[in-house]
Amino acid sequence: NAGVTQTPKFQVLKTGQSMTLQCAQDMNHEYMSWYRQDPGMGLRLIHYSVGAGITDQGEVPNGYNVSRSTTEDFPLRLLSAAPSQTSVYFCASSYSNWGLGANVLTFGAGSRLTVL
Amino acid sequence: QQQVKQSPQSLIVQKGGISIINCAYENTAFDYFPWYQQFPGKGPALLIAIRPDVSEKKEGRFTISFNKSAKQFSLHIMDSQPGDSATYFCAASKGNFNKFYFGSGTKLNVKP
Repeated sequence: NAGVTQTPKFQVLKTGQSMTLQCAQDMNHEYMSWYRQDPGMGLRLIHYSVGAGITDQGEVPNGYNVSRSTTEDFPLRLLSAAPSQTSVYFCASSYSNWGLGANVLTFGAGSRLTVL
Repeated sequence: QQQVKQSPQSLIVQKGGISIINCAYENTAFDYFPWYQQFPGKGPALLIAIRPDVSEKKEGRFTISFNKSAKQFSLHIMDSQPGDSATYFCAASKGNFNKFYFGSGTKLNVKP
């Protein structure tokens, strides 16, 4: 069981370039999400998905695009990279813990992106 | 505007001491409050969580205290150990959804 796998771990882009951060999970979780982590800001939700074919925006969606064609994969696309998108990106999958009555997030190891 | 405010930003505690991290929220619709622990180079991992129908939850050395009227909750780490040195995030969500709002994080350093 690999859990949540993110690739690449590190990436350097030039302003205006596009790229895709990959995320895959093997736990058959229905929910998947992308967060960015910036110093002093905690983790902020970019986009999330409640199942294949269904996505929605989070707190900071501008400049990012997502799609969910399978349960396992949830790629994050940067359309035209900007220096403000320099960050560490975390993908998470989650399941409903009925005992807690909430979703429990399982995070990947992160992808560090630098935009020059 | 940050939905969950966390303090302090950093904390240094001697081994065996008590570490206390505080969080406050405004949205009374929040009904699930987890704490996540993150080690360098790793993703955050769920540590402990609470719902607002209880005032305290304890798991081993980790305790969440919850004050619904004050809209505050805190993490207490008893008998802090060097292995507890990590960044801690509080979070909040409402309903059974996938949208979590995180605090800004507290970097804890436990001195041997």
